[in-house]
Order: sequence, then structure tokens, then C-alpha cells
Amino acid sequence: EPEVTQTPSHQVTQMGQEVILRCVPISNHLYFYWYRQILGQKVEFLVSFYNNEISEKSEIFDDQFSVERPDGSNFTLKIRSTKLEDSAMYFCARISSGANVLTFGAGSRLTVL
Amino acid sequence: AQTVTQSQPEMSVQEAETVTLSCTYDTSESDYYLFWYKQPPSRQMILVIRQEAYKQQNATENRFSVNFQKAAKSFSLKISDSQLGDAAMYFCAYITPGAGSYQLTFGKGTKLSVIP
Repeated sequence: EPEVTQTPSHQVTQMGQEVILRCVPISNHLYFYWYRQILGQKVEFLVSFYNNEISEKSEIFDDQFSVERPDGSNFTLKIRSTKLEDSAMYFCARISSGANVLTFGAGSRLTVL
Repeated sequence: AQTVTQSQPEMSVQEAETVTLSCTYDTSESDYYLFWYKQPPSRQMILVIRQEAYKQQNATENRFSVNFQKAAKSFSLKISDSQLGDAAMYFCAYITPGAGSYQLTFGKGTKLSVIP
């Protein structure tokens, strides 16, 4: 199965700016996930997205975050007004059909200055 | 609360030797899946091995095998014939696939160094 592809691989932004992270189109998948890993810490679940709706989200996923899949194309994670503590690796993931395995993208590294 | 505990923040192994990474978890569910993910310096998360809780037989993938003790809620990873490319962070994780939810719970990781 095709791997999950994420863009950008690395983004540097100023505090307070909006950031959009993308999973490149994978049209035959319905379930997507975003995870976050702050440097040196464990990977944490942010949100799951099924059939163009949020199906589950963690307490980390507050009003600063949003996800969407406009026109069935890119699956995006938006951070409206970035804070220093948003600096992290953000991983998009999909479920491998029939295997109950999450396959992760290479990640997008976000640095907030 | 569902938790995953990796009690070894760092481990080292001599090249070609065997090393075991520990993991314990806490869940009240009977149906779940356990995973070991490898994260090299590139920071990509790579699946190493997977175990279904309903299977008694321990999973193996080439040089990687697990010791799954369901009653003890223990899920250790054994790496045989360690290679330099095995150096990475290793994360234990589990998932309870109910109602379409595939929310992985991760441990804090074990940093494995391989000594030439």
C-alpha cells in the first residue's frame, strides 16, 4: 500500500502565525489520524478523522487546532495561532486495511520562534 | 487510565549481541493489539512488530521477537544479532480497536545504542 506522505517536512514560523500541515492525497482511505511528538517526549494522539468528520480528539486538540479534507484532497491540520509549545513533530497516519496497524508518515517538524 | 510503561530510558548492546527492551501496559480491555515502533534519528515512526492479544503465540519478524505475557500485561521486544542500524528510539504502544477508534497509546520510549 502507498505510504503516507506529509508536507512540509520542516516549517519554521513565528509565534502567533497560522500553520497548515498536509497529508498528500490518498483518495481511497477514510480514516486519518494526527499525532504529535514534542522533542524528547512520547507520541501523543491528537485527532482521528473519518469520512470528513472528526471522530475522536484528545484534550490536546483545543480550539487552536482544526482538521479538514477539502474536496477529498489533502488531509490538513491547521494551527490557528501558534505558540512556542506547539513546536513538535506532527505525524499523519492511516490504518492499513484489515491489519489494525497504523502507518505513519515521515512527519512534519514544526518550529515556533 | 490506559498506560504504557517502558522502564528503561536507555539501553546499549554490543553489535551481534541480543538485547531485550521491556514494556508493561495497563488496560481493562480483552481485545487489543500491541506494537513496537522504531524511531531512528530521521524521526520517522517505523513499525517493527505487532501482536494480537488473542494470540498466544509470540510474534516474530526476522531478528525481532516479542515475549507477550498477557496475564502480567508485559510485552518485551528481543532484538537478536543487533546491527548498527538498529540504533534508535523504540516505542511500545497498544490499541483497542473499538467502534472504529484506532487511538494508539505510546510509552515514553527506550533509546537503544549499538556499540560496534
